[in-house]
Amino acid sequence: DQQVKQNSPSLSVQEGRISILNCDYTNSMFDYFLWYKKYPAEGPTFLISISSIKDKNEDGRFTVFLNKSAKHLSLHIVPSQPGDSAVYFCAASVSYDMRFGAGTRLTVKP
Amino acid sequence: SQTIHQWPATLVQPVGSPLSLECTVEGTSNPNLYWYRQAAGRGLQLLFYSVGIGQISSEVPQNLSASRPQDRQFILSSKKLLLSDSGFYLCAWSVQGNYEQYFGPGTRLTVT
Repeated sequence: DQQVKQNSPSLSVQEGRISILNCDYTNSMFDYFLWYKKYPAEGPTFLISISSIKDKNEDGRFTVFLNKSAKHLSLHIVPSQPGDSAVYFCAASVSYDMRFGAGTRLTVKP
Repeated sequence: SQTIHQWPATLVQPVGSPLSLECTVEGTSNPNLYWYRQAAGRGLQLLFYSVGIGQISSEVPQNLSASRPQDRQFILSSKKLLLSDSGFYLCAWSVQGNYEQYFGPGTRLTVT
């Protein structure tokens, strides 16, 4: 069952512009949400997270927004840099149980 | 600082052969440990997790098993590999009570 969905398999943006990656979930029990960044043949790297009691968390160029009523979260990267090119996974968690989306491949063009 | 190791990095095994993948964590005590698999074009699927030595919970019934013989060691095994076992296997750890999981470099397993 796909409790976490990333409906855009790929996204291409110009360097300096904003990248917006989206994620939807179905299980209202999830209480913590995370974004991971992954390069080929490497393990995912933790990027940023947000608790269900918040609607926004910011860390430098990265901001995660959570809309609980819509069961939707998004990751904004501003400004986008070529080094941001990677696959981004969103994840939703309740206790140990973390469910991942299928990932969105972001390409930032110079 | 904490470090997580996985080996081997790549592995090619024939159908029916056994499997043993090892994961170790340094710089922390009593971590939660996890095994995930990523199939091509898919997200990460949780296979096993462990909250302590000898404690293993399985999420998906399958051809694999896991063991935790030491606090910071997690092993993924199979007695007889299937073609469908091919994939990218990732070990992860987290601090007890924290949500953030930190992943190892992964093992690319190809069953031929």
